[in-house]
Amino acid sequence: GEDVEQSLFLSVREGDSSVINCTYTDSSSTYLYWYKQEPGAGLQLLTYIFSNMDMKQDQRLTVLLNKKDKHLSLRIADTQTGDSAIYFCAEEGGYNKLIFGAGTRLAVHP
Amino acid sequence: ETGVTQTPRHLVMGMTNKKSLKCEQHLGHNAMYWYKQSAKKPLELMFVYNFKEQTENNSVPSRFSPECPNSSHLFLHLHTLQPEDSALYLCASSQDVRSGNGELFFGEGSRLTVL
Repeated sequence: GEDVEQSLFLSVREGDSSVINCTYTDSSSTYLYWYKQEPGAGLQLLTYIFSNMDMKQDQRLTVLLNKKDKHLSLRIADTQTGDSAIYFCAEEGGYNKLIFGAGTRLAVHP
Repeated sequence: ETGVTQTPRHLVMGMTNKKSLKCEQHLGHNAMYWYKQSAKKPLELMFVYNFKEQTENNSVPSRFSPECPNSSHLFLHLHTLQPEDSALYLCASSQDVRSGNGELFFGEGSRLTVL
């Protein structure tokens, strides 16, 4: 069945890099996504990667995709306190049916 | 201002009450979704509507009843809920279920507490 797994919590020091990892099951997903949820808000698309890509970089964000291992990661360089949020990994289960993980809560401390 | 608006933001109800959650999107989208967010659990897709037609019911108990009168509005009618139904209910929209990169636009959610 479809399943997206990610660790629930990550704590980093301000200025360090954060790496959030995710494993997924559906190898036919065309896109894989990272969504961000700030306190009291809904989810917002942060970035996505097309399945035929290995890496995508967008300013401080780097997405790495290992299709063989069905592993997706999000690296945030120079992590700031404003990056504190819950980060959701999602795979595409067909027809915009996104399958989300439980979310990784990123805490950034001074 | 978010393009997807959910009301009420907070709702407390007893198990015998009947209430409704409302979602409205101002983005001109044709697909709308209900998701359930519980602590430490994956987001659960509940229902999908595309051009007002239900295209997905993810084995949701009948005490949750969706309604989509037009492409801009989505309701979730609630009756005889259980305490385990307490969660954040998120509405989302997209251009349609087959479009582009599948970006969903979420509302801020309705926090439901069932006593």
